[in-house]
Amino acid sequence: DTEVTQTPKHLVMGMTNKKSLKCEQHMGHRAMYWYKQKAKKPPELMFVYSYEKLSINESVPSRFSPECPNSSLLNLHLHALQPEDSALYLCASSQRLVGQETQYFGPGTRLLVL
Amino acid sequence: AQTVTQSQPEMSVQEAETVTLSCTYDTSENNYYLFWYKQPPSRQMILVIRQEAYKQQNATENRFSVNFQKAAKSFSLKISDSQLGDTAMYFCAFMTLNTGTASKLTFGTGTRLQVTL
Repeated sequence: DTEVTQTPKHLVMGMTNKKSLKCEQHMGHRAMYWYKQKAKKPPELMFVYSYEKLSINESVPSRFSPECPNSSLLNLHLHALQPEDSALYLCASSQRLVGQETQYFGPGTRLLVL
Repeated sequence: AQTVTQSQPEMSVQEAETVTLSCTYDTSENNYYLFWYKQPPSRQMILVIRQEAYKQQNATENRFSVNFQKAAKSFSLKISDSQLGDTAMYFCAFMTLNTGTASKLTFGTGTRLQVTL
């Protein structure tokens, strides 16, 4: 089973709203990732959690706040977003064993900021 | 820093035919992994195939196979007996082995493949 789930599938929010994206996996993976993807572009890495600790932040604006409450769950809290933040947000997970770090992606959340 | 180049923005193939998507990369690392991911119109990112750099044998997964040329830093994807469901954006991706922080994927810009009747 290589399933990563993401909720919600779609989200529309105003620039003053606060919302959260959720990602879940039950494969025992100990690394989880958030990516942002604009149309017709490759995914751009935002954050990486390794063993529930933030290990990589790709200079993402503070209006995006990640959280990893446990090894199966990854959240992305959104606040005061801009219209240019509208994109597909992908979550991925992988093992943290050398040679087994293939990333498996969820179906994504399509975010529209008005 | 690693770079991944996909020089074919768009390609088209007829159903049941064979098509090859190109990918080149640049790295000074010796141990790494290469991947092809497929992203259909649903935008779910799906792993197609993976190749370990230390393996000389080319990876295959059913109708999908790669031609891995390590010295030339080339990693092409061959799709045999193309099906309508193969219509998607295909991303080539590179990952170094990293025993410290979790490894990062470097993606190419993608090749949009259209399979026609």
